[in-house]
Amino acid sequence: AQSVTQPDIHITVSEGASLELRCNYSYGATPYLFWYVQSPGQGLQLLLKYFSGDTLVQGIKGFEAEFKRSQSSFNLRKPSVHWSDAAEYFCAVDPHSGNTPLVFGKGTRLSVIA
Amino acid sequence: ETGVTQTPRHLVMGMTNKKSLKCEQHLGHNAMYWYKQSAKKPLELMFVYSLEERVENNSVPSRFSPECPNSSHLFLHLHTLQPEDSALYLCASSRYSGTVNEKLFFGSGTQLSVL
Repeated sequence: AQSVTQPDIHITVSEGASLELRCNYSYGATPYLFWYVQSPGQGLQLLLKYFSGDTLVQGIKGFEAEFKRSQSSFNLRKPSVHWSDAAEYFCAVDPHSGNTPLVFGKGTRLSVIA
Repeated sequence: ETGVTQTPRHLVMGMTNKKSLKCEQHLGHNAMYWYKQSAKKPLELMFVYSLEERVENNSVPSRFSPECPNSSHLFLHLHTLQPEDSALYLCASSRYSGTVNEKLFFGSGTQLSVL
């Protein structure tokens, strides 16, 4: 079965520092991968997605993610974090199965300190 | 603002109460979803509606009863809930279901507490 693992439950970074959030997936075929962000009290917002082609994808808010098939990873990165980036981040995979839209990881909570 | 509106934002109910969650979208989407978000757990897909027909039900207890009267509205009727049902309930929509490359639009959720 398809699964998504986000190994880090909570990460704290200093404002202006670089950020990398890890995501590993388990899937037999070429996956479709997504990163969503959830601010406190809000629903999920799509940051970026990978379907095919260039393995480095750019998203909104200065985020990017790199698909590495050999490592089954799709890590999210940002070169310089802003305090407004504090939120919960979810990695997700499209299971190509019926009407189920996405399978989500448990999420990584990002805290940003001055 | 994603175009998906959920009401109420917060709900506290006793185990014997009956309440309903409402979701509304005016994006012209044909598919709508209910997700449950509990602490320290992945988002759990509960129900999928496509063109007002339920197309997926992920083994959700019968105390949760969805209703989709038209493509713009989705309800989740709640009765005799348990404390473990306390969670954030998220509604989402997309143009179609069962199609890859479809972006999900999420509402802000209803934070439910069952006492």
